Amino acid sequence: DAGVIQSPRHEVTEMGQEVTLRCKPISGHNSLFWYRQTMMRGLELLIYFNNNVPIDDSGMPEDRFSAKMPNASFSTLKIQPSEPRDSAVYFCASSLVGADEKLFFGSGTQLSVL
Amino acid sequence: GQSLEQPSEVTAVEGAIVQINCTYQTSGFYGLSWYQQHDGGAPTFLSYNALDGLEETGRFSSFLSRSDSYGYLLLQELQMKDSASYFCAVSEYNTDKLIFGTGTRLQVFP
Repeated sequence: DAGVIQSPRHEVTEMGQEVTLRCKPISGHNSLFWYRQTMMRGLELLIYFNNNVPIDDSGMPEDRFSAKMPNASFSTLKIQPSEPRDSAVYFCASSLVGADEKLFFGSGTQLSVL
Repeated sequence: GQSLEQPSEVTAVEGAIVQINCTYQTSGFYGLSWYQQHDGGAPTFLSYNALDGLEETGRFSSFLSRSDSYGYLLLQELQMKDSASYFCAVSEYNTDKLIFGTGTRLQVFP
């Protein structure tokens, strides 16, 4: 089992540019979560999907953020346009079903917006 | 909504026992989880309490008291490799979200 795979591992971009983060959940897992981690705000849930359907996106900061899950093995988190305050580590996690299961986290994407 | 508070930092020496507390305010949740995160790494699952009481997994134990809105993680026979951040988390009844606490940084000294 390869675990949850995220790419890229690091991303450095300039303010105003579009950023796309990618995630491949563990095969057979039906729930996928996007979290953002910063020193100031800790681990924040941005959005989660059940069976490829977005269930709750209330944590998405603003319209600049969007997430998709076109199939059971792939999800993206897009920021357009990016801003320096978006700099953080973005984690993708998956579970068998829902949040009352063990979550398996990917290695994260370290995003720096200059 | 949920609010989970933890001490920001705890220090201890190798071989010692340390307890990391988690107090919460919540309208209802399925269970209390604990995750470990080393610097530069991803959170990894440690333990889960659905019911009140103590759950033991090797050197680590976790406790939950719903009536006291309180839980803790107990780490025994501390090793240097236990230096990491520890997060409690609850899975909400009505939203099925996993909400994380503020996190506790544990430093183990020789």
